[in-house]
Parts: sequence; structure tokens; C-alpha cells
Amino acid sequence: EAQVTQNPRYLITVTGKKLTVTCSQNMNHEYMSWYRQDPGLGLRQIYYSMNVEATDKGDVPEGYKVSRKEKRNFPLILESPSPNQTSLYFCASSANRGRPYNEQFFGPGTRLTVL
Amino acid sequence: EDQVTQSPEALRLQEGESSSLNCSYTVSGLRGLFWYRQDPGKGPEFLFTLYSAGEEKEKERLKATLTKKESFLHITAPKPEDSATYLCAVQAVGGSYIPTFGRGTSLIVHP
Repeated sequence: EAQVTQNPRYLITVTGKKLTVTCSQNMNHEYMSWYRQDPGLGLRQIYYSMNVEATDKGDVPEGYKVSRKEKRNFPLILESPSPNQTSLYFCASSANRGRPYNEQFFGPGTRLTVL
Repeated sequence: EDQVTQSPEALRLQEGESSSLNCSYTVSGLRGLFWYRQDPGKGPEFLFTLYSAGEEKEKERLKATLTKKESFLHITAPKPEDSATYLCAVQAVGGSYIPTFGRGTSLIVHP
């Protein structure tokens, strides 16, 4: 089954404790991205990757890091989480056939709470 | 700055009562406009991409249309299973691939 998986699905942590949210896709997609979704603000892109070793900032990259060492994986790293990073996070992927946003597949989401 | 405004914020319909959702956008140049459906507790699910004014796409009871300033998602004879939040997003022409999403329209269809 074609899918984007994220782990963990739920995470409660404390300020300053480094964490990683994993994202993996099995569709051989070139393009991957991370979003956060907050009430009243909608989806905002954090980082995106056009292909392996090619990452770039989205609208809200502060406080986050990403890496793309393999095509299928795109982990999101919070080096020192803060309460304002409490949010619902989504990973997405799509085939980059000249139009990387055409038909993005989203993961199930990771609900992060930073105390 | 690219902007996307969706209206109404919430919509309640009776089963079979057709209606439309609106997505107004402001971009320097449109690369594409996207509609997604999001069920509670799940990630968005892709519905349509529209690229140019006058374009229309259909899927079951849904039909998306595009003008130079807005897009409509028409829902014909909706069923309770159409209840969801519908998201609109635009991507502007240029080097950045960052999409701008609207806040969504929450649709509830009563049986």
C-alpha cells in the first residue's frame, strides 16, 4: 500500500529535550516536506526537499532541522523544543514531475506537546 | 505576499442540499491551486489541482472551478460522508515551492 508513515503519532516532551520525528514514504517520491498545523493558522510549511541532499526552508523553519540522506526518509529534528512548537505535524511527499505540488500524499500526523 | 482566504469558515448542509465553498487568492502569478479534504485526526487527502482560469475538474459529487481570483468547490447532493474540512492552497510562480494554505472550510452534512 502506497503511504507516508510518521512516528511517533503522539509525543509529550519537555522544553529543551532533543527529539526526532521520523517520516518515510514507499512511493519513490522525490519531493518531501514538513508542515505544522495550528488552529486558526492553517498548514504552514517548515522545510521541503526536492531530492536526496537537497533541502530548503519553508515559511516557518526556525527551531527545526531536517536531513535527506535517503530518498524514502525525511526526519524532522527539534534540537531544543519550546512550548511554541506544540502543534500537529504532517509529513508529505509527491512525485516531482516538474510540478512537485501536484498530488501531495500526507502522513497521518504527529501531535507534539512541549511542556 | 501570497494570500488565500476560504469562506465560509463552517457550513452545515442537509443531505442532498447542494452548495459551494469559496477560495479567494492573491498571488503574483499562479503556478497551481490545490484542493484537499481533511478528516478529523487525519492528514489532508488530495482532491484536485487547477492550473489556469477556466479549468474545471470533477470527482464524484465534487467539482472544482478556477477563475483569475478565486476557486469554487461545488458539492452536488452531498452525503454525510462528505463531512470534512476542505483546504485550498496555492503555489505561486517563481523559485520557491512553498505553498500557501487557507484556513479551511469545515463542512457538516446532516442526514
